[in-house]
Amino acid sequence: AQSVTQLGSHVSVSEGALVLLRCNYSSSVPPYLFWYVQYPNQGLQLLLKYTSAATLVKGINGFEAEFKKSETSFHLTKPSAHMSDAAEYFCAVSGNYGGATNKLIFGTGTLLAVQP
Amino acid sequence: DAGVIQSPRHEVTEMGQEVTLRCKPISGHDYLFWYRQTMMRGLELLIYFNNNVPIDDSGMPEDRFSAKMPNASFSTLKIQPSEPRDSAVYFCASSFRRDRVTEAFFGQGTRLTVV
Repeated sequence: AQSVTQLGSHVSVSEGALVLLRCNYSSSVPPYLFWYVQYPNQGLQLLLKYTSAATLVKGINGFEAEFKKSETSFHLTKPSAHMSDAAEYFCAVSGNYGGATNKLIFGTGTLLAVQP
Repeated sequence: DAGVIQSPRHEVTEMGQEVTLRCKPISGHDYLFWYRQTMMRGLELLIYFNNNVPIDDSGMPEDRFSAKMPNASFSTLKIQPSEPRDSAVYFCASSFRRDRVTEAFFGQGTRLTVV
């Protein structure tokens, strides 16, 4: 079975500070990993995805994430937080089953607050 | 493309009534997912379809829930009878299995309130 664990349901940073949102995965097959962002009263929007190419993945809005197999982690970072980054962030995993299920399993989410 | 379209955006209904949520996936996508989001349980996958065929409905909470996909451009999630604990935001998402990577595109969601 696949799963992701997001450490910290709430993270607060100051504007201009580093953003670090943590995600650890569990998967019996090589995983595909995703970060999604959800703004209030909106659907989820893809930030970035890891597909077994480069381990450092760059996404939209200045976010990036690094896949570390030894740590089973896929943490999301941004060097300098902006007020507009305040949202809920979800890590997700799907399996590389080579023809079987492609369903996404989501973590419980991390609500990011950015203080002026 | 207009993206994944869900209707209605908001639904308020009385306990015991039938509720039907609708979804139009992105044209050309061959996977469709129904998720439910609540504060207590987060995002739960209810059911997903591939080429209009239900593949995994293990997340459907009870027999009161049913989902159909009669064609590639339309899906419904029905709750009959509805209960207050069904109150949640229901999301539909679709994807295209390109290079074996599932990148799901989400609709805006339907906020269901059962009173």
